[in-house]
Amino acid sequence: AQSVAQPEDQVNVAEGNPLTVKCTYSVSGNPYLFWYVQYPNRGLQFLLKYITGDNLVKGSYGFEAEFNKSQTSFHLKKPSALVSDSALYFCAVRDDNAGGTSYGKLTFGQGTILTVHP
Amino acid sequence: GAVVSQHPSRVICKSGTSVKIECRSLDFQATTMFWYRQFPKKSLMLMATSNEGSKATYEQGVEKDKFLINHASLTLSTLTVTSAHPEDSSFYICSARHRDSPSNSPLHFGNGTRLTVT
Repeated sequence: AQSVAQPEDQVNVAEGNPLTVKCTYSVSGNPYLFWYVQYPNRGLQFLLKYITGDNLVKGSYGFEAEFNKSQTSFHLKKPSALVSDSALYFCAVRDDNAGGTSYGKLTFGQGTILTVHP
Repeated sequence: GAVVSQHPSRVICKSGTSVKIECRSLDFQATTMFWYRQFPKKSLMLMATSNEGSKATYEQGVEKDKFLINHASLTLSTLTVTSAHPEDSSFYICSARHRDSPSNSPLHFGNGTRLTVT
């Protein structure tokens, strides 16, 4: 079984400040980890992913995420937040051991609302 | 590339009627499509996995006779909410995997359908 937790329902930061959106995961095999962003009444847009290799992953719009295997975390970060970054962010995991009907299935965290104040 | 189109974006229907939502992969072939339901306060719930040419695999607790899924071609999956009730009102999102993509590839999401049952 695979699961994801986003411990913060909401994160508030001032524009120009660094931001972090937290995510922890649980899988039986090796994790494939993803971050998605959702704007109101829209689908999800892919931001970045970790598959293997460097623990620091860079993605779209200046976002990056750090994979920490010992802490089973994959926190999303940005050095300088913009008001336009305000949105709902989802962390997701896929277990590389998953097969059969679970192949390709993503499990999402509950989401974190990011609000960047001017 | 990798565009997923979902239609309609909004639909209002009367209680007891059925509503069909379409999910199309516009520029790629998708052997697998996933249907999600997003509840208020954001959590995203996987309803079913739709595989081209075979029966959909439903998640536990999802009524397959109420939420009919058809994946008749490599570019189209449909979700039909039968005998809709107000409690079915929600935001439904589809996603698709490219037929040749490995399991560590991100999913491509439609823009969602806002269903309101009156």
